[in-house]
Amino acid sequence: DAKTTQPNSMESNEEEPVHLPCNHSTISGTDYIHWYRQLPSQGPEYVIHGLTSNVNNRMASLAIAEDRKSSTLILHRATLRDAAVYYCILRAHNNAGNMLTFGGGTRLMVKP
Amino acid sequence: KAGVTQTPRYLIKTRGQQVTLSCSPISGHRSVSWYQQTPGQGLQFLFEYFSETQRNKGNFPGRFSGRQFSNSRSEMNVSTLELGDSALYLCASSFLGTGTDTQYFGPGTRLTVL
Repeated sequence: DAKTTQPNSMESNEEEPVHLPCNHSTISGTDYIHWYRQLPSQGPEYVIHGLTSNVNNRMASLAIAEDRKSSTLILHRATLRDAAVYYCILRAHNNAGNMLTFGGGTRLMVKP
Repeated sequence: KAGVTQTPRYLIKTRGQQVTLSCSPISGHRSVSWYQQTPGQGLQFLFEYFSETQRNKGNFPGRFSGRQFSNSRSEMNVSTLELGDSALYLCASSFLGTGTDTQYFGPGTRLTVL
């Protein structure tokens, strides 16, 4: 899987929007962009994924650049429960097996 | 639906011993993956099983092994434990394990090697 680059950490105020960036300049045409997050003392949990178009779900929105070399996870109103490490991961669409390659992720701190 | 369960949650072993960790996937899921998480190396993929066959393997020594049973439950085994094997071991399951499949993680087993 191609590599992703994320900032080590970000800070946000509670109830404000948060934009978490991810660069993936070597993404291939069939790579999906997945986001997972890991809350303290828990296993990672799925947040959202997309291919080309922007995606929304109850947890977040995913904005994908037109050239697909970067994407942004958007939390519309951060809460204290959103403090976690957020991982941006690329996954090939073909049935190549279920291996997630985690980078360092972005540690999001939310201030009350 | 019940989530992914892992047993035991905590384990303390000494160097040279062996250990077996267990993972029960979400009902209906056929793919089970294992990951090791340490402060220094982060989250690293160990191996994946699908329909009782190992489909992918990460870059770990042969002391790390696993298997999957016909009911999709999986076990991983670490023989001749070393201090560096102290880690959180996470199991994840998904329905088919394709590139668009969501993986659901368990809470992990915290292994401490003394």
